[in-house]
Amino acid sequence: DSGVTQTPKHLITATGQRVTLRCSPRSGDLSVYWYQQSLDQGLQFLIQYYNGEERAKGNILERFSAQQFPDLHSELNLSSLELGDSALYFCASSPDRGLEKLFFGSGTQLSVL
Amino acid sequence: EDKVVQSPLSLVVHEGDTVTLNCSYEVTNFRSLLWYKQEKKAPTFLFMLTSSGIEKKSGRLSSILDKKELFSILNITATQTGDSAVYLCAVWGGSNYKLTFGKGTLLTVNP
Repeated sequence: DSGVTQTPKHLITATGQRVTLRCSPRSGDLSVYWYQQSLDQGLQFLIQYYNGEERAKGNILERFSAQQFPDLHSELNLSSLELGDSALYFCASSPDRGLEKLFFGSGTQLSVL
Repeated sequence: EDKVVQSPLSLVVHEGDTVTLNCSYEVTNFRSLLWYKQEKKAPTFLFMLTSSGIEKKSGRLSSILDKKELFSILNITATQTGDSAVYLCAVWGGSNYKLTFGKGTLLTVNP
């Protein structure tokens, strides 16, 4: 158990809908990262937050947004969902700003029908 | 664009065999290279390498980095069925210092 908690584990929804994925980092970790994993693309970096502020951005779509709250948990919001958004979404955390090992949660499997 | 390329994509061996997994990278502002093992869901950390030529070992697993040739290898000796997993290579670097992953090598160890 990495200490990173993600909910829900599975999510099935329809195209055009909006969903929120939640992540609680390991105790004491200030950075939260979101990754998307699909079969053909591998693990793609979406966004990083450090102590409540956005720190780095990757290939995150305009329809996606995230935030980190004062208690350091993070939420990833996905809207106007498309079939191609079906993937495993991982949250990871680390103690500091980056350049260190990340601890991954078990992921949220999103299926868009 | 930052790139991390792993080979082979897939590998099937018998228990007791030794395997070598490869990872090459083209990343600006390179800082370090990491190996992860992904079994069912969450990737779990194996090694972090920052210096060339220094081997990291953990039991039957070992890894080394060559910063001049921009690659790393992960060796697993005396493989066991429990080693079956996807092995991911990742590099810290790029213009915004993000962790970029390769697509992974799927290792299957048959009894």
